[in-house]
Amino acid sequence: QQQVKQSPQSLIVQKGGISIINCAYENTAFDYFPWYQQFPGKGPALLIAIRPDVSEKKEGRFTISFNKSAKQFSLHIMDSQPGDSATYFCAGSTSGTYKYIFGTGTRLKVLA
Amino acid sequence: DSGVTQTPKHLITATGQRVTLRCSPRSGDLSVYWYQQSLDQGLQFLIQYYNGEERAKGNILERFSAQQFPDLHSELNLSSLELGDSALYFCASSVGSGLFYEQYFGPGTRLTVT
Repeated sequence: QQQVKQSPQSLIVQKGGISIINCAYENTAFDYFPWYQQFPGKGPALLIAIRPDVSEKKEGRFTISFNKSAKQFSLHIMDSQPGDSATYFCAGSTSGTYKYIFGTGTRLKVLA
Repeated sequence: DSGVTQTPKHLITATGQRVTLRCSPRSGDLSVYWYQQSLDQGLQFLIQYYNGEERAKGNILERFSAQQFPDLHSELNLSSLELGDSALYFCASSVGSGLFYEQYFGPGTRLTVT
């Protein structure tokens, strides 16, 4: 019940295209869903996060869409750029537990 | 640069040995988190400390232990090492101890057990 399932495992997108990464969770108590971006040789860095009281959150070219009834959320990267090439992790967490349950990651490559 | 420092960057050791990984949080951050990242298990939360006290525990093996010192730096001790312990170990820090405080990750320590 603690799992967060992430897909696809890898993704190749042309420059200017839309990258979409999907996550599904089982624990209905999750109330915080961050996305982390990790470049090779670096630690993950928070990209954007959402709480389940909203269905969408947008920050620049990055948008999280959240479907509470389906227990799914996704990251959309608009106008994808080669500099977006990285591994992206979704996560879920519950207030008071202090710990994130991460998805397995999606390796994104944006072709120039 | 997140402001979190980890040493060493790389560590190669043999099975059965014991190692210590060190983490210095960002200035002003009171919480330290440890994560293990491996190819087959992904990114897994190990343990969290807040101002010197253990606050949360994840999938941390009994062979592993951690502590946070009065100057807020933290150490992760891994003993009786096995081949399967080879992984990247990340430390993260945040200002507070709560879900919504952003965690800043260090560059990681790559541990190779031979």
